[in-house]
Amino acid sequence: DIQMTQSPSSLSASVGDRITITCRASQSISGYLNWYQQKPGKGPRLLIFGASSLQGGVPSRFIGSGSGTDFTLTISSLQPEDFATYYCQQSHNTPYTFGQGTKLEIK
Amino acid sequence: QLQLQESGPGLVKPSETLSLTCTVSGASISGSGYYWDWIRQPPGKGLEWIGTVFYSGTAYYNPSLKSRLSMSVDTSKNQFSLKVKSVTAADTAVYFCANRTPYGSGSHWFYWGQGILVTVSS
Repeated sequence: DIQMTQSPSSLSASVGDRITITCRASQSISGYLNWYQQKPGKGPRLLIFGASSLQGGVPSRFIGSGSGTDFTLTISSLQPEDFATYYCQQSHNTPYTFGQGTKLEIK
Repeated sequence: QLQLQESGPGLVKPSETLSLTCTVSGASISGSGYYWDWIRQPPGKGLEWIGTVFYSGTAYYNPSLKSRLSMSVDTSKNQFSLKVKSVTAADTAVYFCANRTPYGSGSHWFYWGQGILVTVSS
C-alpha cells in the first residue's frame, strides 16, 4: 500500500494568514493526488484533483502543487470558513489511501 | 445533480454482519464511467477506502478488508450495497457512499453521501 504522510498534524493560524500543508507519498504517485476539506459532521469536500487542478466552485485561494512524492496545499489568505481538517489522497494505485489529516484551527 | 443517501442499522452486534445501502438520485447507477465506492471514518480518525462496485456488479476491495466484504448493485432500485461480516468494535465508523470520477489515470470523489454512523456493540 502507498502510505501518505501529512504535516503538520495540526496548525493554528489567523484569518488572513497564508498556510501550507505538506503531503508525502511513500512512492511516486505521479500527479494523482487529491485534496479534501472536511468539517465536523460532514462528508469531505473535494478541493484539488490531479495535484493542482482546482475543483469547480472552490475559491482560488486554494492552491495545490507537486508531483512524484511531494505535494503541498496552500491557502493564500485564510478565511473563517477555511478552519477545518484537510486530507490528501492518492489515486495512483489501489488501495486508495489518505493522509492522516491536518486540523486547521483558529489562533 | 447527483445525490447519494446511505441507509441501514446504526447498531450492529459483534460477530454479526453490517449491511448498508446507498440510494443514488440524479443519475443512473448504470451510467458509463460511474464508479460507486464506500469509504469509512472511525470516530475522530481518518478516512479509509473500503471498495468499489460497478453497475455490472464487478467489485474490488481494499485487501485489508477483502475477506469480510461484499458489495453489490441493484440497478432496478438505483442502489448499491455493502456487507461487512464478522464485525468487531474496530468496524465502528461513519460509513460514506460516494461516486468516484476518473480523470486521466486517476480519480477523485466529488459526490458523497452524508454518512451514517454504525456502532458495533452488544
